[in-house]
Amino acid sequence: DAKTTQPNSMESNEEEPVHLPCNHSTISGTDYIHWYRQLPSQGPEYVIHGLTSNVNNRMASLAIAEDRKSSTLILHRATLRDAAVYYCILRQPSGAGSYQLTFGKGTKLSVIP
Amino acid sequence: ETGVTQTPRHLVMGMTNKKSLKCEQHLGHNAMYWYKQSAKKPLELMFVYSLEERVENNSVPSRFSPECPNSSHLFLHLHTLQPEDSALYLCASSWSSSGANVLTFGAGSRLTVL
Repeated sequence: DAKTTQPNSMESNEEEPVHLPCNHSTISGTDYIHWYRQLPSQGPEYVIHGLTSNVNNRMASLAIAEDRKSSTLILHRATLRDAAVYYCILRQPSGAGSYQLTFGKGTKLSVIP
Repeated sequence: ETGVTQTPRHLVMGMTNKKSLKCEQHLGHNAMYWYKQSAKKPLELMFVYSLEERVENNSVPSRFSPECPNSSHLFLHLHTLQPEDSALYLCASSWSSSGANVLTFGAGSRLTVL
């Protein structure tokens, strides 16, 4: 099974950009890279996903390495509300037309006022 | 409020009780999931339903029994649980045929087994 590796924790100052790294060296050609985040006392929330090209949405940007063995989630201006655990996940087919999202431990992001 | 609603939000039960967790999605999705989140452990996928049929059962003990009567509702029936089953149980839904398969999660049901 392809897995991801993330730092356990990171800190950022408020209103500064944050780059959250993720390594996925055993990724397969059809695996999508997903990012979710989980705020305290809430369920995980979708952030962004991509396959090969860099992606932007209203929440964040996703930069994917050319060999796809790593990616970086970019929060352009961190706010206190961005303090959460961020999960980098590979969406993989698991048979019968379903696709698993297997969560790791994620990166706990702290935002300093 | 998300499009996935879980009830109850908190549940305390004894080891001999029978209870159920309910999940309802209002997003028109056709796949639903149960995840378990124990303290200081990653989320663990328990069950997957696609088009109301169970397609994944990740070695979950039989004291957890899922039910998916239609594409909008998912239940997790609980009986003779153990204290180590205390955890946050999360429901999610998605388009199973979607190439991106983005999951929308509920807020979870916090279960405490005494």
